[in-house]
Amino acid sequence: KAGVTQTPRYLIKTRGQQVTLSCSPISGHRSVSWYQQTPGQGLQFLFEYFSETQRNKGNFPGRFSGRQFSNSRSEMNVSTLELGDSALYLCASSRDSEKSTQYFGPGTRLTVL
Amino acid sequence: QKEVEQDPGPLSVPEGAIVSLNCTYSNSAFQYFMWYRQYSRKGPELLMYTYSSGNKEDGRFTAQVDKSSKYISLFIRDSQPSDSATYLCAMKLVWGTSYGKLTFGQGTILTVHP
Repeated sequence: KAGVTQTPRYLIKTRGQQVTLSCSPISGHRSVSWYQQTPGQGLQFLFEYFSETQRNKGNFPGRFSGRQFSNSRSEMNVSTLELGDSALYLCASSRDSEKSTQYFGPGTRLTVL
Repeated sequence: QKEVEQDPGPLSVPEGAIVSLNCTYSNSAFQYFMWYRQYSRKGPELLMYTYSSGNKEDGRFTAQVDKSSKYISLFIRDSQPSDSATYLCAMKLVWGTSYGKLTFGQGTILTVHP
């Protein structure tokens, strides 16, 4: 069974731009969670989607948004990029985030110049 | 104070050593406990998943949970150079209270040298 895939793997943007990252969950998984990983803050939860609905959101500004499609694929968008948004963005999928474990993708490395 | 504290190390051990990795937490509502391994430039890989207090063994790995002390551990026996990675503890609140959110420790960098 294929794992979680994320595209693109690497991205370089400049301040003020916006970016869209994509995540394809494991087949049969309906829950997708997004995390930001930085050396200083570690892994921090951004939001979770299940059946196209955002069920939970972390403490990030409104510039961070996401959505999920009917095939469970998910995208996250960051608008008006700041230097501090440089990070590894990880998505994780599970059948049902409440009962089952999360499996992570390889991440998208975003660099903001 | 962070909800989950993990010694970032780095930890360097010789091949064959027993490794002990630990996390403490402050929120007694955490009920599910996980250990992930993350190699450089990769996403975290699930190693162990536990719910109740006590020990759970899987090959060379043993996860230990002590809810009364709010303390979890991961033991690696007969460590190998391929175990060199960052180890992350993660925790989840009780079912139905925080969809999808795992709270992570900072990660411990482990190096096993031949």
